[in-house]
Amino acid sequence: DTAVSQTPKYLVTQMGNDKSIKCEQNLGHDTMYWYKQDSKKFLKIMFSYNNKELIINETVPNRFSPKSPDKAHLNLHINSLELGDSAVYFCASSLRGQEQYFGPGTRLTVT
Amino acid sequence: SQQGEEDPQALSIQEGENATMNCSYKTSINNLQWYRQNSGRGLVHLILIRSNEREKHSGRLRVTLDTSKKSSSLLITASRAADTASYFCATDASGTYKYIFGTGTRLKVLA
Repeated sequence: DTAVSQTPKYLVTQMGNDKSIKCEQNLGHDTMYWYKQDSKKFLKIMFSYNNKELIINETVPNRFSPKSPDKAHLNLHINSLELGDSAVYFCASSLRGQEQYFGPGTRLTVT
Repeated sequence: SQQGEEDPQALSIQEGENATMNCSYKTSINNLQWYRQNSGRGLVHLILIRSNEREKHSGRLRVTLDTSKKSSSLLITASRAADTASYFCATDASGTYKYIFGTGTRLKVLA
């Protein structure tokens, strides 16, 4: 019973391509997040949705577009991938203001 | 920025010893959370301490919070090799639910 799952786990693609990462949680949480962890392990919030409403939208290039079709799913679409987008992307979920549960991460490599 | 800073950046101890890591932050918060990340894995929540709490325990973990100094500490007692991981604190500026993660402490416990 995976609480927060992400697909794919690994993603290798060329510059300029468009790719999507999917996230699903089965914990009944009302809030979901996308984080980016760079090579120095610095974790930065990108987006957060609460009950399908975007509540946090950090300074992220508009090539990144999140979509939450329902409370259990949060997807991340990235257009025109660049070398600097290479990182590990984590999805997380929580009840608002409570502890977060993280997915296993998606390691994106742009060549 | 509200980014938390953790100290030390890296810590190496012998099994059975205690490990203490510290987190400092910049603004008023609702709560502070500690997470563990094993190499190549997602983050796992350890403890959440609210702004009106001063100390919290969970098994071998003890967390303190000093809101006047804007700092927190995580103590792991009787450490084990399995405690080897990176430890992060996360804070949210009051009312925002936007969690900012610290830079992390890499703990290595030698058997």
